[in-house]
Amino acid sequence: QKEVEQNSGPLSVPEGAIASLNCTYSDRGSQSFFWYRQYSGKSPELIMSIYSNGDKEDGRFTAQLNKASQYVSLLIRDSQPSDSATYLCAVNMNSGNTPLVFGKGTRLSVIA
Amino acid sequence: DAGVIQSPRHEVTEMGQEVTLRCKPISGHNSLFWYRQTMMRGLELLIYFNNNVPIDDSGMPEDRFSAKMPNASFSTLKIQPSEPRDSAVYFCASSLDRPDTQYFGPGTRLTVL
Repeated sequence: QKEVEQNSGPLSVPEGAIASLNCTYSDRGSQSFFWYRQYSGKSPELIMSIYSNGDKEDGRFTAQLNKASQYVSLLIRDSQPSDSATYLCAVNMNSGNTPLVFGKGTRLSVIA
Repeated sequence: DAGVIQSPRHEVTEMGQEVTLRCKPISGHNSLFWYRQTMMRGLELLIYFNNNVPIDDSGMPEDRFSAKMPNASFSTLKIQPSEPRDSAVYFCASSLDRPDTQYFGPGTRLTVL
C-alpha cells in the first residue's frame, strides 16, 4: 500500500510566524513531490513542486525534500491569515504523467 | 482558458437513483483524473484516462461506478444505483504530460439521501 502521511492538525500559528508542515511517504522510489493548498469548499491548487533533495524557495514558501528519510516539508514564512487552509502533500510514485498519491492534509490556521 | 469545468456543482439525490457527473478538461490536456474526497478518506483517485483510454480504474469502489471518456473534451462518472455512502465531493483534474501540470475542477458535491 503506497501511503502519504500528514498530521491532520489543526496547526495554529500567529500572524508573521513560520508555519512548518510535514509529510512522509512510503515508496522509496518516489520521483516527484507536490504541495497543494485547499481553501474550505474549494478545489486543490498546486503551490510548490520539488524533485531533488534540498530546498526550493518560491516567495514566502520553501519546500524541503529528504529522500533518504522519505520526508517532505513546506515552510511558510511571514504567515498571513490568508494562508489559513488545508495543505495537501502529494507524491508521484512513478515516473511520468501518472496519478499522484495524496495525504489527507494538514489544516493550518493563522491567527491575526 | 476556462480551466477544468465540472457539472453539476451540487447534486442531491435519493438512494437508488442514477447520478451522472460531467467533466470538461482543459483544452489540449491528454490526461484526466477522477477523484473523490471525504473527511475520513481524504482525496482518493478513482480512475484516470490517458489519451481518452482508461489506464487504471483500481480505485473505483465497485461495479456501481463507471466512467467514460468518449472524446478528448468530455468525461462522465456514473453511479448506479447511488447509496448514502457515496456522498462526497468528486473532483475532476486534467494534465499535460507532467504531473505538475495537474489542474483541478471546482468539484461536484454529491449528497445521497
